[in-house]
Amino acid sequence: GENVEQHPSTLSVQEGDSAVIKCTYSDSASNYFPWYKQELGKRPQLIIDIRSNVGEKKDQRIAVTLNKTAKHFSLHITETQPEDSAVYFCAALYGNNRLAFGKGNQVVVIP
Amino acid sequence: DGGITQSPKYLFRKEGQNVTLSCEQNLNHDAMYWYRQDPGQGLRLIYYSQIVNDFQKGDIAEGYSVSREKKESFPLTVTSAQKNPTAFYLCASSAGAGSYEQYFGPGTRLTVT
Repeated sequence: GENVEQHPSTLSVQEGDSAVIKCTYSDSASNYFPWYKQELGKRPQLIIDIRSNVGEKKDQRIAVTLNKTAKHFSLHITETQPEDSAVYFCAALYGNNRLAFGKGNQVVVIP
Repeated sequence: DGGITQSPKYLFRKEGQNVTLSCEQNLNHDAMYWYRQDPGQGLRLIYYSQIVNDFQKGDIAEGYSVSREKKESFPLTVTSAQKNPTAFYLCASSAGAGSYEQYFGPGTRLTVT
């Protein structure tokens, strides 16, 4: 079935530290795994994605790693800043180009 | 994502009334999606359409209906059969044909009393 789980539900970090969010997915997932950031009352914004033919992708302070054997992928945010405070959603692509989303992680960056 | 619009931003209705939420995109995307967002529940797929004049049910389609008569438009009707319609509704689109990135509209917050 289509199932994506995110851990932990809430993550508090000191400004400047790193934040890591991990997601696991079920067997039938496809080859595309995006991460979205959603600020309060706003739309989700795609921040980074990865396809299964690579194990890691970086974009400035954010990176995503993928372990297809263990069926998990993680978002890494380095040198966190107050504007990184938001809810982050992972997702996995399934049949008919459908995305299944995790329930989200609240990240709080403490100044 | 600036090419996807949803209207209105806030919508209030009385219980028992049908209501239609608008979603328009000028990105020339083939695929469009409707999600419902509730606190702590993430995004749940209501309906999606891969191409004009075709659409499929998502995970929580009961009490909703859609149409896709034009490529740029994918309206969602919340019917009186939907037991708990109060939620934040998000529309998204993607180019399709191997391009999986989905871009979201600003959302409509529907309150039914």
